[in-house]
Amino acid sequence: EDQVTQSPEALRLQEGESSSLNCSYTVSGLRGLFWYRQDPGKGPEFLFTLYSAGEEKEKERLKATLTKKESFLHITAPKPEDSATYLCAVQESGGSYIPTFGRGTSLIVHP
Amino acid sequence: DAGVTQSPTHLIKTRGQHVTLRCSPISGHKSVSWYQQVLGQGPQFIFQYYEKEERGRGNFPDRFSARQFPNYSSELNVNALLLGDSALYLCASRVVTDTQYFGPGTRLTVL
Repeated sequence: EDQVTQSPEALRLQEGESSSLNCSYTVSGLRGLFWYRQDPGKGPEFLFTLYSAGEEKEKERLKATLTKKESFLHITAPKPEDSATYLCAVQESGGSYIPTFGRGTSLIVHP
Repeated sequence: DAGVTQSPTHLIKTRGQHVTLRCSPISGHKSVSWYQQVLGQGPQFIFQYYEKEERGRGNFPDRFSARQFPNYSSELNVNALLLGDSALYLCASRVVTDTQYFGPGTRLTVL
């Protein structure tokens, strides 16, 4: 059973059309949940770290939220340059600092 | 400050050959991790080193090995290359806190 599941696998939006990406996780205890952005053929770029349910973080058009079972990455009024794959990863508490990644959501924003 | 650097950027090898990939962490970061990412998947954990000691190993065969040097840079070695080893190899570094920062990756193609 996957510990981290991201949905949808792919998402196409029109410029300005807000939406949310989902990351659900199944770990006994959460040390941290991470969001990364990855452009094709490049390394993941760090966006946010969330530690506890109810926490929210924002950066430009992106806002990440966390509950006890899932996290959402909200994209408000996206632009074509927001097109990328968004990766979610979780670190389980009590273990080593090794995150488990989901498969990512591929986002395409059309002008 | 310079981010995580990796070399080479691209590499083409044939089956059965050996390859060495290199990584320099962000200045002050003592932990380095290696990941393999195939197309359409999230990064899969290979190794983690902290203070030159192996702190974790993923589910990869013994053909994969790594080490960390006194300056905290790291090498990933893969012996007896298989076609299935073709992937983007990512290096990530962190300080003591859990957020990892990734390098640009090395694209390995095995023919």
